Amino acid sequence: QKEVEQDPGPLSVPEGAIVSLNCTYSNSAFQYFMWYRQYSRKGPELLMYTYSSGNKEDGRFTAQVDKSSKYISLFIRDSQPSDSATYLCAMSAYTGTASKLTFGTGTRLQVTL
Amino acid sequence: GAVVSQHPSWVICKSGTSVKIECRSLDFQATTMFWYRQFPKKSLMLMATSNEGSKATYEQGVEKDKFLINHASLTLSTLTVTSAHPEDSSFYICSARVGGRGYEQYFGPGTRLTVT
Repeated sequence: QKEVEQDPGPLSVPEGAIVSLNCTYSNSAFQYFMWYRQYSRKGPELLMYTYSSGNKEDGRFTAQVDKSSKYISLFIRDSQPSDSATYLCAMSAYTGTASKLTFGTGTRLQVTL
Repeated sequence: GAVVSQHPSWVICKSGTSVKIECRSLDFQATTMFWYRQFPKKSLMLMATSNEGSKATYEQGVEKDKFLINHASLTLSTLTVTSAHPEDSSFYICSARVGGRGYEQYFGPGTRLTVT
């Protein structure tokens, strides 16, 4: 079993829809959770960063972490064609300065007109 | 803030030659930098972690003599692919952590390496 599971998609939604992206994980030591957006042939761009459980909102994006269920989500409101990209969840346990990120496989999102 | 650049963005080299990729943090000091490799439609594969002024820590299965990493300053890390082979063709991405703050990583735009 992988440490982080993420549905690869593709997920196709119409413009304006609410998008829900999810990851589950097995390592209870993970405390730091991130969502990255990656356009084709580009480096990942950090969208959201949360520590431990709870919600965080930034514009059209909301990140949720439920540590009891080992489940994290990213919601995108009023989705736009420019949101079409691959979304990667990533997480880290505290292991000092060399803490690595463990990534999901990424979900490919397509927002159609 | 937290901008990371990479150079070159795309390089073609002949088999047997070496190629160097630079990763710079433009507006912050990066005590730790990471090098990843990504195959088409696949997730990121961590190759190595480097801390400024010390030797890089390589992931299992990554040849340290083939992928030389140098983190000479708080804003620059380099990856040199030595004696390149066609199977080294890939998308290489670096990332950096802001010194003394959090665990999020900021990624560069990536370098596409093609070995002919």
